[in-house]
Amino acid sequence: EAGVAQSPRYKIIEKRQSVAFWCNPISGHATLYWYQQILGQGPKLLIQFQNNGVVDDSQLPKDRFSAERLKGVDSTLKIQPAKLEDSAVYLCASSRYSNQPQHFGDGTRLSIL
Amino acid sequence: GDSVTQMEGPVTLSEEAFLTINCTYTATGYPSLFWYVQYPGEGLQLLLKATKADDKGSNKGFEATYRKETTSFHLEKGSVQVSDSAVYFCALSGFTGGGNKLTFGTGTQLKVEL
Repeated sequence: EAGVAQSPRYKIIEKRQSVAFWCNPISGHATLYWYQQILGQGPKLLIQFQNNGVVDDSQLPKDRFSAERLKGVDSTLKIQPAKLEDSAVYLCASSRYSNQPQHFGDGTRLSIL
Repeated sequence: GDSVTQMEGPVTLSEEAFLTINCTYTATGYPSLFWYVQYPGEGLQLLLKATKADDKGSNKGFEATYRKETTSFHLEKGSVQVSDSAVYFCALSGFTGGGNKLTFGTGTQLKVEL
């Protein structure tokens, strides 16, 4: 089966600009996650969707980050405006159900100048 | 809250050496425990898991046993290869109202040399 697809792989922007990332989960996976992985750290959950509803967004900086999964399949994560501390790899993961193992995409590496 | 502590890296070993990467956790309830591996430029891949106390997860020669009494899930491999060079993450899965949330350690980089 095809894995979790993410794009772009790399993005470089200046601070205060906006950026968006896209994720296509494995077919049939109801649960989708976005993680932020800062260099030298483990991934940190930003938001979890079950189908097109938000399950957990307690660690999402809602003043600048937003995410949606309108049709319960693809998802986008947006940052507006970006700050220097947002430089990280943004990982998308999916699982068939919320209690099943998560499968990760290769991530988008974001650099803020 | 839930947390995972891993030994710091990098860990540098010669090929065919024995590997241990320590992992301890703090959690409420009875979490599931995981080891993920991340190769350069790639996402995380599930290496092995254990869902209850005394379970042993194993895959590709790697093993880890869920020790509730010591709250540990140490990763071991009897003979490492150069191809095992990667970053290894210990993680636990805790239920958060609507679903399972993974909490990761900071990762341990493994370098295997000929």
